[in-house]
Amino acid sequence: DTGVSQDPRHKITKRGQNVTFRCDPISEHNRLYWYRQTLGQGPEFLTYFQNEAQLEKSRLLSDRFSAERPKGSFSTLEIQRTEQGDSAMYLCASSPSGIAAYNEQFFGPGTRLTVL
Amino acid sequence: AQKITQTQPGMFVQEKEAVTLDCTYDTSDPSYGLFWYKQPSSGEMIFLIYQGSYDQQNATEGRYSLNFQKARKSANLVISASQLGDSAMYFCAMREYQGRSGGGADGLTFGKGTHLIIQP
Repeated sequence: DTGVSQDPRHKITKRGQNVTFRCDPISEHNRLYWYRQTLGQGPEFLTYFQNEAQLEKSRLLSDRFSAERPKGSFSTLEIQRTEQGDSAMYLCASSPSGIAAYNEQFFGPGTRLTVL
Repeated sequence: AQKITQTQPGMFVQEKEAVTLDCTYDTSDPSYGLFWYKQPSSGEMIFLIYQGSYDQQNATEGRYSLNFQKARKSANLVISASQLGDSAMYFCAMREYQGRSGGGADGLTFGKGTHLIIQP
């Protein structure tokens, strides 16, 4: 396994359009996280899944954002009616269950979204 | 109040010198973990080192060590014998295991980062 993968790596869209990103975690990891990183800042937590259950959502996750992990494997993050303020790097991370879940969180390469 | 503070926006260091990147944190949770990540210009976050709040010894991973001073709430990253490939953004992050303040119990809270440039 080569680690967490994300698709696409770059997305340019016009304001008002919908976009969807995909994340494939490390295969044996049952925890999956989404973060957003704007220019000059550290990543900010958006949401978290354990298997297919979405257990935590940040206040940053407005109604226009929705995330799914239907079979407990890959996850999608959809942004509806994109706004220029949504322009950012969207990072996905995964971690295993058990005690290792506390001290490991591996990130993918990110999807860079530009809203024109 | 910020949970993670990194006071050095940028640092220039001569190759082969040791580097210390500062990180202070704020939490009332008795159980937490501290992480350091490296982010090169390609954008991927690379995990470097972890320190648990109950760990008695400072964490070490190869050239990386974490100077954990619990009473001062600081978790500085030390890179020994710096290399040109160490040039990158470095982020300190925290996870609180019992509380639900900030971004959530299971997500990491990151600082704003330090841009480290190693000069030949």
